[in-house]
Amino acid sequence: DAGVTQSPTHLIKTRGQQVTLRCSPISGHKSVSWYQQVLGQGPQFIFQYYEKEERGRGNFPDRFSARQFPNYSSELNVNALLLGDSALYLCASSRQGGPSNQPQHFGDGTRLSIL
Amino acid sequence: AQRVTQPEKLLSVFKGAPVELKCNYSYSGSPELFWYVQYSRQRLQLLLRHISRESIKGFTADLNKGETSFHLKKPFAQEEDSAMYYCALHSGSRLTFGEGTQLTVNP
Repeated sequence: DAGVTQSPTHLIKTRGQQVTLRCSPISGHKSVSWYQQVLGQGPQFIFQYYEKEERGRGNFPDRFSARQFPNYSSELNVNALLLGDSALYLCASSRQGGPSNQPQHFGDGTRLSIL
Repeated sequence: AQRVTQPEKLLSVFKGAPVELKCNYSYSGSPELFWYVQYSRQRLQLLLRHISRESIKGFTADLNKGETSFHLKKPFAQEEDSAMYYCALHSGSRLTFGEGTQLTVNP
């Protein structure tokens, strides 16, 4: 089992640019969640997608958007990048979405640096 | 709104000593709580969840609804336990994480 895979591993952008991060869930997992982890803090929830529909959204501006594809992979898009968007972006997958006790499996993350 | 607090950013113990990592939560419903661990150069991984009432790698955690706590305990710490530990609360579609505790077990 390859686990959750994310690409790219590192990315450097400048303010105002746009970025797309990608995530492939574990085979058989239909739910994908995105988290932002700023240095020294715990991960913060951004989005959850299940069966290609948004099931939850954290307290992030509309510059952040995401989608899930028929093969359950997902993309996170961030527009008009700000210095404060510099962080590790984590993707997690689980078998189901919604109020269940399914553990989430995390990828290694994409390290995004904004200059 | 839910909130998870881990009061200690750093915790250092000697090998063989007991260790307790504190976690307090704020949540109006019935909580589903987890401990995640991140070893050096590895990805975040699930350590244990309260609903399973299991012991993983010698660690246990008991949910205390009266004190709204979910402390992680191990009677005899090992050097390989050195890692970052996160307490997390699951509600609806999301996990809410604490800020983490960096545990160092000294030889």
